[in-house]
Amino acid sequence: SQKIEQNSEALNIQEGKTATLTCNYTNYSPAYLQWYRQDPGRGPVFLLLIRENEKEKRKERLKVTFDTTLKQSLFHITASQPADSATYLCALFGASKIIFGSGTRLSIRP
Amino acid sequence: DAGVIQSPRHEVTEMGQEVTLRCKPISGHDYLFWYRQTMMRGLELLIYFNNNVPIDDSGMPEDRFSAKMPNASFSTLKIQPSEPRDSAVYFCASSSRTAGSPLHFGNGTRLTVT
Repeated sequence: SQKIEQNSEALNIQEGKTATLTCNYTNYSPAYLQWYRQDPGRGPVFLLLIRENEKEKRKERLKVTFDTTLKQSLFHITASQPADSATYLCALFGASKIIFGSGTRLSIRP
Repeated sequence: DAGVIQSPRHEVTEMGQEVTLRCKPISGHDYLFWYRQTMMRGLELLIYFNNNVPIDDSGMPEDRFSAKMPNASFSTLKIQPSEPRDSAVYFCASSSRTAGSPLHFGNGTRLTVT
């Protein structure tokens, strides 16, 4: 069955460092992959989209990579700040399904 | 734009009661999705509509759940009868027809069934 895993349930890093979150999937061939941010008591908010034929996408301090051979996406936040603390979700878009990972709770300590 | 609007924000009800959750998508969006989020199972897709027509309801847990979209600006998710295991946060999201378009989520309805 289709499965999507975000390797770390929680990640705690020092302010200023680069945070790297991982999204792995099996039995799926997504056309797109997206990353969302979710704050407590709120709905997920879209951050970045990457297509299956793209290797890397950047937006300000955010970078996403997509390796369809490894079936993996990495999400990086450079120069992390306490305000980046949130849960980050990856989502796979296929022909007819949108599946979300369970999320990684990121905490940036000052 | 006001974004996706869900009501109520919180709902507490007793087992066996009917619960109706409401959603107003972003104007002009063709797709509407209902998700359920729990600590154990994460964000699960229940059903989605395209142009008011249900396309995939394979995620609806059982016959106690039903969803409707009578027009482009309104959708409901109904649970009848409700059970304690239905307790979760229910999200509505909408998106445009462009492939890969991001989902715009509402802030959810936190349902507690006692």
